[in-house]
Amino acid sequence: SAVISQKPSRDICQRGTSLTIQCQVDSQVTMMFWYRQQPGQSLTLIATANQGSEATYESGFVIDKFPISRPNLTFSTLTVSNMSPEDSSIYLCSVEGAGQNTGELFFGEGSRLTVL
Amino acid sequence: AQKITQTQPGMFVQEKEAVTLDCTYDTSDPSYGLFWYKQPSSGEMIFLIYQGSYDQQNATEGRYSLNFQKARKSANLVISASQLGDSAMYFCAMRVYGNNRLAFGKGNQVVVIP
Repeated sequence: SAVISQKPSRDICQRGTSLTIQCQVDSQVTMMFWYRQQPGQSLTLIATANQGSEATYESGFVIDKFPISRPNLTFSTLTVSNMSPEDSSIYLCSVEGAGQNTGELFFGEGSRLTVL
Repeated sequence: AQKITQTQPGMFVQEKEAVTLDCTYDTSDPSYGLFWYKQPSSGEMIFLIYQGSYDQQNATEGRYSLNFQKARKSANLVISASQLGDSAMYFCAMRVYGNNRLAFGKGNQVVVIP
């Protein structure tokens, strides 16, 4: 399984500010996925990030609000822009396990954001 | 579109007993995978078990087993010999092959009591 590190693990942010979450993987992976989990809810896919190309966003998520970088095969960032209290969530980075053919995803510890 | 349904309310389970978590899914695609994840209060998502749509046998992984009934489109998770550390949210998920998206159900809350 892949080891995924996310930073920050948690943060308290002011309305209107932006925060960048970092995701580091211990192996090279083609695709990285960013999920959001609002309080008491399930996980929702925000976007898929491939190295060397623009991220692919799911319905309801836009690049201006959630810009993503993928500079290499082991690292990605997600920025939550112009935050409002509705953005208070856990944001999770995930990747497919290297060598796996079953398609399960492994997740980072998550970044728990609270917007005041 | 993929749809995962988990409708059970929160469950209290006596330590050392077994618990079954229900999951039904809906897809028209014949090739897919089903997954269960555990999310303790710390927030991390822990992969537990996988079942492929073409697998003939039910998946097992230690104390976890998956009761796969393809015709009914159900993939229930069975946790045997519950431990206090099993207290968590449990999410059922599905991935249609050829699609990157892993779709999650709403989750089941399990509390194991001594």
